[in-house]
Amino acid sequence: DTEVTQTPKHLVMGMTNKKSLKCEQHMGHRAMYWYKQKAKKPPELMFVYSYEKLSINESVPSRFSPECPNSSLLNLHLHALQPEDSALYLCASSHPPVSDTQYFGPGTRLTVL
Amino acid sequence: AQSVTQLDSHVSVSEGTPVLLRCNYSSSYSPSLFWYVQHPNKGLQLLLKYTSAATLVKGINGFEAEFKKSETSFHLTKPSAHMSDAAEYFCVVRRDGSGNTGKLIFGQGTTLQVKP
Repeated sequence: DTEVTQTPKHLVMGMTNKKSLKCEQHMGHRAMYWYKQKAKKPPELMFVYSYEKLSINESVPSRFSPECPNSSLLNLHLHALQPEDSALYLCASSHPPVSDTQYFGPGTRLTVL
Repeated sequence: AQSVTQLDSHVSVSEGTPVLLRCNYSSSYSPSLFWYVQHPNKGLQLLLKYTSAATLVKGINGFEAEFKKSETSFHLTKPSAHMSDAAEYFCVVRRDGSGNTGKLIFGQGTTLQVKP
């Protein structure tokens, strides 16, 4: 099973709201990733967690706050977002050191009003 | 800088005809190369991965890709297109020296249209 799940599928929020995106995998993977994807563009890496520790932050604005409570779960907390943050947010996981292959979830479509 | 170039932004084929999606890459080392497919409003699905075990890599749904080091290419092919193959395809290379949790470098994507 190579399934990564993400909730919710769709999210609409105002610029003053606080919301969270959730990602889960039960493959025993110890690396998890957040990507942002705008329409007609490839995904852009935001954060990488390796063994529950933040290892890469691609200079993402502080209004995005990642959290990795355990090896199966990854959250992305959102606060005071801008309309330009509207995008598809993808989660992925991989299994270091065995493999560098990343498996992606279905994404959360975020709209910021 | 390391890069991935997908040579066609849009490819249109008729159902039942062959598919060729072209990808060139740059890498200093023996690269990890991937092809992913993304159907509308979906996540990315792994089609196949080059691991240096064999230059011809077979993937899911009848797709395969050939690694040619001399040409720095990793083109994706399928003998016979199906309507369900219509999607966005990304050629991806892992950034050199970035390890197993390293960054992926994505091509800009190729939109495959399949006509009945």
